[in-house]
Amino acid sequence: AQSVTQLGSHVSVSEGALVLLRCNYSSSVPPYLFWYVQYPNQGLQLLLKYTSAATLVKGINGFEAEFKKSETSFHLTKPSAHMSDAAEYFCAVTPSGNTPLVFGKGTRLSVIA
Amino acid sequence: GAVVSQHPSRVICKSGTSVKIECRSLDFQATTMFWYRQFPKQSLMLMATSNEGSKATYEQGVEKDKFLINHASLTLSTLTVTSAHPEDSSFYICSARDETGKHEQYFGPGTRLTVT
Repeated sequence: AQSVTQLGSHVSVSEGALVLLRCNYSSSVPPYLFWYVQYPNQGLQLLLKYTSAATLVKGINGFEAEFKKSETSFHLTKPSAHMSDAAEYFCAVTPSGNTPLVFGKGTRLSVIA
Repeated sequence: GAVVSQHPSRVICKSGTSVKIECRSLDFQATTMFWYRQFPKQSLMLMATSNEGSKATYEQGVEKDKFLINHASLTLSTLTVTSAHPEDSSFYICSARDETGKHEQYFGPGTRLTVT
């Protein structure tokens, strides 16, 4: 079975500071991994995904994530936070593109001016 | 990119009534759609997998007689909450799987259901 653990339900950073959102996964097979962003009362927007190609994945809005098999991690980073990055972020895993996603509990990112 | 729509975006209904939520894939065909439920400040929980032309597959603990799913065409799945109770109030999100190429899932904007 697949599972995702997001460390830290709330992360607060200053504008311009590094953003680091942590995600660890558990999977019995090589996983597909995703990061989604959700703004209040909206659906999910895909930031980036890992599907067994390059381990460093670049996404939209300047975000990137690195797949580290040895650490079973897929942390999300952005070099410089913007106010518009304040939102809820979800890490998700699936064993294949054909099965539903299993989501982590989410991390709320606050950006302080 | 692929677009998934949901209708309505918000709905308020009285206890005991039924509410239907539509999920449409606008520019691709989806034999499989997924319905998720999200409580305030919590993650998404998979409710069921909707399969075109066949019965939906429900997750453990989800009442299939209460949450009726119909996937009558390759672009439309509906979720009907029957005999709604206040505890059914939640944010319902669907996703549709693009069957061509990438097998990627695209999410709808969600439907906020409030049962009074």
